[in-house]
This record gives sequence, C-alpha cells and structure tokens, in this order.
Amino acid sequence: EAQVTQNPRYLITVTGKKLTVTCSQNMNHEYMSWYRQDPGLGLRQIYYSMNVEVTDKGDVPEGYKVSRKEKRNFPLILESPSPNQTSLYFCASSLGLAGVTGELFFGEGSRLTVL
Amino acid sequence: EDKVVQSPLSLVVHEGDTVTLNCSYEVTNFRSLLWYKQEKKAPTFLFMLTSSGIEKKSGRLSSILDKKELFSILNITATQTGDSAVYLCAAIIQGAQKLVFGQGTRLTINP
Repeated sequence: EAQVTQNPRYLITVTGKKLTVTCSQNMNHEYMSWYRQDPGLGLRQIYYSMNVEVTDKGDVPEGYKVSRKEKRNFPLILESPSPNQTSLYFCASSLGLAGVTGELFFGEGSRLTVL
Repeated sequence: EDKVVQSPLSLVVHEGDTVTLNCSYEVTNFRSLLWYKQEKKAPTFLFMLTSSGIEKKSGRLSSILDKKELFSILNITATQTGDSAVYLCAAIIQGAQKLVFGQGTRLTINP
C-alpha cells in the first residue's frame, strides 16, 4: 500500500531534549516536505527536499534540521525543542512539484508537546 | 509575502444544502492550486487546478480557478454529514517548489 509513515504519532517531551520525528515513503517520490499545523495558521512549511542530499528551507525553519540521505526517508530533527514547537507535524511526499500531478501525499501526523 | 486566504473560516449548514468555499491568493510565480479535505488527521487530495475557467468535478464536489481575479472556489452540492471537515487550499509556487496553504475553512454539516 502506498503510504507516508511518520513516527512517533504522539510525543510529550521537555525543553532541550533532542528528538527526531521519522518519515518514510514507499512511493519512490523525489519530493518530500515537512509542515507544522497550528490553530488559525493553517499548514506552514518547515523544510523541503527535491531529492537525495538536496534540502531547502520553507517558511518556518528556525529550530529544525532535516536530512535526506536516502530517497525514502526524510527525518525532522529538533536539536533543542522549545514550547513554541508544540504543534501537529505532517510529512508529505510527491513525485515532484515540477511535474503535472503535484499532489502531495500526507502522513498521519505527529502531535508533539514540549513542556 | 506570499499569501493564501480562505473564507469563510467556519461554516455551519444543514444536510442537503449547497456550500461554496473561497480561496484567494497573492503569490509570486503562481503555478497551480490544490484543494484538500482534512477530517481527523492527514489531508486528503481533492483537486489540482492549473488552467483558468476549467471546472473540475468529482461527484458532488467541483472547483474552478480564476487566474485573472486570483481566486478559486470549491462547491459542494447536496451536502452530507460526511462532508464535515476542514477544507484547505494551497498555491504551488513555480520554481520555488513550495506550497503556501490557507488557514482552512471548517465546514460542519448538521443532520
């Protein structure tokens, strides 16, 4: 089954404790992206990747890191989480926004709480 | 600054009504517009619109893009309680490979 898988789905952590949210897709997609969703603000892009070893900042990259060592995986790293990073996070993938489809396939979301 | 604005932010109607959701955009190098439905968790894809004036339809849902006036609408006819969700629109920015989402419209269908 074609899917985007995120882990963990729920996490409560404390300020400063490094964490990684994993994202994996099985559709051989070039494009992957991370979003955070906050009430009243919609989905905001954190980072995106056009292909292996190619990543770029979205609109809200501060406090986050990503890596793209393999095509299928795109982990989101919070080196020193702070309470303002409490949010619902989505990973998404697509064949490539340069193509005709442009549809993004989303993971189920990871709800992160930073105390 | 690239911006996508949806209206209304919230809408409550009765089952069987027809609704129109609005999405306006101000972005540089606009390429396409996407509509998504978000129920419990992950958004699910509804439509992608690239050309102006061409309606896309899927059952009771339809959508159209106006690139001159910079907006799109999503119509849902004969609404059902299963249509209750947050509807998101997003503009794809050409060259920048990114999407800019609106805030979403929360649609509630009462029986």
